[in-house]
Amino acid sequence: QSVLTQPPSASGTPGQRVTISCSGSSSNIGSNTVNWYQQFPGTAPRLLIHSNNQRPSGVPDRFSGSKSGTSASLAISGLQSEDEADYYCASWDDSLNDYVFGTGTKVTVL
Amino acid sequence: QVQLVQSGAEVKKPGASVKVSCKASGYTFTGYYMHWVRQAPGQGLEWLGWIYPNSGDTNYAQKFQGRVTLTRDTSIGTAYMELSRLRSDDTAVYYCARDGVTGGAFDYWGQGTLVTVSS
Repeated sequence: QSVLTQPPSASGTPGQRVTISCSGSSSNIGSNTVNWYQQFPGTAPRLLIHSNNQRPSGVPDRFSGSKSGTSASLAISGLQSEDEADYYCASWDDSLNDYVFGTGTKVTVL
Repeated sequence: QVQLVQSGAEVKKPGASVKVSCKASGYTFTGYYMHWVRQAPGQGLEWLGWIYPNSGDTNYAQKFQGRVTLTRDTSIGTAYMELSRLRSDDTAVYYCARDGVTGGAFDYWGQGTLVTVSS
């Protein structure tokens, strides 16, 4: 079981803003940066956000990340049909000395 | 362009071992940590460990200590993941992923290798 908790699902209509939460603890999010990954069925994950709020080249600016205390969030503004995918947060955990992923959130575009 | 190309699907019996390769190209292989992540059918992502190809240093997830071994061959730019004493719940797609930023930002991923453990 993951130490980073995400809601199992989130949804919105095209153009809406959707936010995904990622709850951790002082040993992971509280003391390390958070990364976010997007994954489509049958494909490898894609880095969406690194270092809490940095977008790699090629990632649309409608994706944004933030972190506060022991929680982090991924926001998708101007939701598009192609954003329908699974999203995972991730961070290092100093107590476990492991890299831990969140439980994952499936985003559905209604 | 950066590419990570993994070996093909494997079917193994319980108790056996499997070794998956990940050939890197398009960048300096020894300059970036390589991580391994797996995903069981219908499940989330799970980290196995990392190797630093320059030195061969490794770090394994607690859950897999003693069962996973990460190695590399710098002459051919290839990383390897070997998992021993396989069980049915090791059935998963195994990915290699380059840590491009350090801090666990995996910017390039292999295509994945399905390992099926079945008697």
